[in-house]
Amino acid sequence: GAVVSQHPSRVICKSGTSVKIECRSLDFQATTMFWYRQFPKQSLMLMATSNEGSKATYEQGVEKDKFLINHASLTLSTLTVTSAHPEDSSFYICSARAAGVDYGYTFGSGTRLTVV
Amino acid sequence: GEDVEQSLFLSVREGDSSVINCTYTDSSSTYLYWYKQEPGAGLQLLTYIFSNMDMKQDQRLTVLLNKKDKHLSLRIADTQTGDSAIYFCAESKTGTASKLTFGTGTRLQVTL
Repeated sequence: GAVVSQHPSRVICKSGTSVKIECRSLDFQATTMFWYRQFPKQSLMLMATSNEGSKATYEQGVEKDKFLINHASLTLSTLTVTSAHPEDSSFYICSARAAGVDYGYTFGSGTRLTVV
Repeated sequence: GEDVEQSLFLSVREGDSSVINCTYTDSSSTYLYWYKQEPGAGLQLLTYIFSNMDMKQDQRLTVLLNKKDKHLSLRIADTQTGDSAIYFCAESKTGTASKLTFGTGTRLQVTL
């Protein structure tokens, strides 16, 4: 079946630094990738939708200059948290969907970001 | 906008059946899903159902959809301790631009 690999699984960084999270579709081409943020004991909050070769679409309230998303190829999307602060600490999850498929969403294993 | 609601917590004994319920508001939802999330992990797709279906069964899992009442349920037969997790229902529509809208999540606790 479809597999999405997300790295790193856990990262600790200092305030003010930037962190990059990668999301790769291993056995299919993902024309659309989604980035979510999940706070403890809460549901997933969609941050942005990225389509290969075009700019990401951000949800209301999500700072696009802080959360940079790049989807340069059909198998890779990256989320960079710039100038991270402790309030950015969270669980980030990506999801990918193959071309021409309405309903096939495959999720990565998530990244636990802790900003100290 | 879309709104998907679930009860927060369910506790069942090992071997019993679990029923997790979900309600949604958007009548144009085309696909409805159940995902499982274990602690510190991503989401695992358990099953999905098209809106033109009433029921889908896959081994221990049975999904029931009442489109009129916009109610979705997931029944897990012979619940095991390994089923303890958070279960999210979600919906999406047709179209490649569609995105998933998640429910609030139900924490299932399986006791011995």
